[in-house]
Amino acid sequence: GENVEQHPSTLSVQEGDSAVIKCTYSDSASNYFPWYKQELGKRPQLIIDIRSNVGEKKDQRIAVTLNKTAKHFSLHITETQPEDSAVYFCAARPPGSQGNLIFGKGTKLSVKP
Amino acid sequence: DTEVTQTPKHLVMGMTNKKSLKCEQHMGHRAMYWYKQKAKKPPELMFVYSYEKLSINESVPSRFSPECPNSSLLNLHLHALQPEDSALYLCASSQDRGVVETQYFGPGTRLLVL
Repeated sequence: GENVEQHPSTLSVQEGDSAVIKCTYSDSASNYFPWYKQELGKRPQLIIDIRSNVGEKKDQRIAVTLNKTAKHFSLHITETQPEDSAVYFCAARPPGSQGNLIFGKGTKLSVKP
Repeated sequence: DTEVTQTPKHLVMGMTNKKSLKCEQHMGHRAMYWYKQKAKKPPELMFVYSYEKLSINESVPSRFSPECPNSSLLNLHLHALQPEDSALYLCASSQDRGVVETQYFGPGTRLLVL
């Protein structure tokens, strides 16, 4: 079955710097890749997603890139702010899973003011 | 209404109790999900309902019993739970399970089993 690996597990950056989180997946037929942000005690919140027919997607300070050949996708956050501090989860949707998501183990991002 | 709501927010129960978790969405979504999340771990899929029918049960113990009374509501009935079942229980919904699969999560119910 699909397996998603996420790195790093923790990431500390200075406010204003960029942060990059990387995920790799094993099933080349996976076709949907969302990213969720989860603040302490809160729900996972979708922040951006990308489908396999697109290589890059941006939303203000957040971007996601997808390399289907290498089977990896990355989350890029520019001009980080303290409120970006949270746990970020990547996920992949394999074909035939009928909507089921396979999550990575998460990255705890700390943005220091 | 663009939210998934869950009640209660917190629940403490003994191992002999019976309780229910409730989830509601009014976005017209036809797929609803129950996840279990332990601290510092990703959400773990438990059940999936599609068009009010149970389509996936990820080998969850029978002490957890899901129910989908209608397209907007999802319940999780709890009975004879164990302390290791203590976790955050998240409900999610998506428009369907095919083309539009973006899942939106509720705030969760934090369950403590004593």
